[in-house]
Amino acid sequence: AQSVAQPEDQVNVAEGNPLTVKCTYSVSGNPYLFWYVQYPNRGLQFLLKYITGDNLVKGSYGFEAEFNKSQTSFHLKKPSALVSDSALYFCAVRDFLTGGGNKLTFGTGTQLKVEL
Amino acid sequence: DVKVTQSSRYLVKRTGEKVFLECVQDMDHENMFWYRQDPGLGLRLIYFSYDVKMKEKGDIPEGYSVSREKKERFSLILESASTNQTSMYLCASRPEDYGYTFGSGTRLTVV
Repeated sequence: AQSVAQPEDQVNVAEGNPLTVKCTYSVSGNPYLFWYVQYPNRGLQFLLKYITGDNLVKGSYGFEAEFNKSQTSFHLKKPSALVSDSALYFCAVRDFLTGGGNKLTFGTGTQLKVEL
Repeated sequence: DVKVTQSSRYLVKRTGEKVFLECVQDMDHENMFWYRQDPGLGLRLIYFSYDVKMKEKGDIPEGYSVSREKKERFSLILESASTNQTSMYLCASRPEDYGYTFGSGTRLTVV
């Protein structure tokens, strides 16, 4: 099965500083990777995805992610953090279902806290 | 914008009750999913459906069933609710380009 790991439960960063939320993956074949964000008591919102092409993927709200095949990583980044970026972030990978079709398998999430 | 609507934001049910969680999407997507979200465990797939009346088990289907009588509606059923089913339940739909759209979630408490 495909999987992703988010090694940090929480990341703290000062407003205006760059932020990185880490994700590593384990797949057979080519990975399809995603980042989602969840604000309190809300569903998940799509940020960006990597399927093929440039290793640097740009997404919503000024976020970007860098695909690194040699390190099997797909870290989420933003050059200058905002307090409003504080939320729960999930990395996900396309996975396959035994009965056919596919699904997303999610990491355990990283809580980002941006402080003034 | 695609909308996925979950009928209840918060539910409190008693142990042993039959519970229905409803999800409706407005973009004619074939694929719909039910996940549950628990702290430290991320999201885990319960069931999914790729067409009307079609359903497939996900990773944790035990204690749940689903119904998809119309393309836009995908219901999750807890046949006999138990306290270990207290969780946040998230519905999602998807076209064929792998990007999910999620509903706002239903926080279910079983007492």
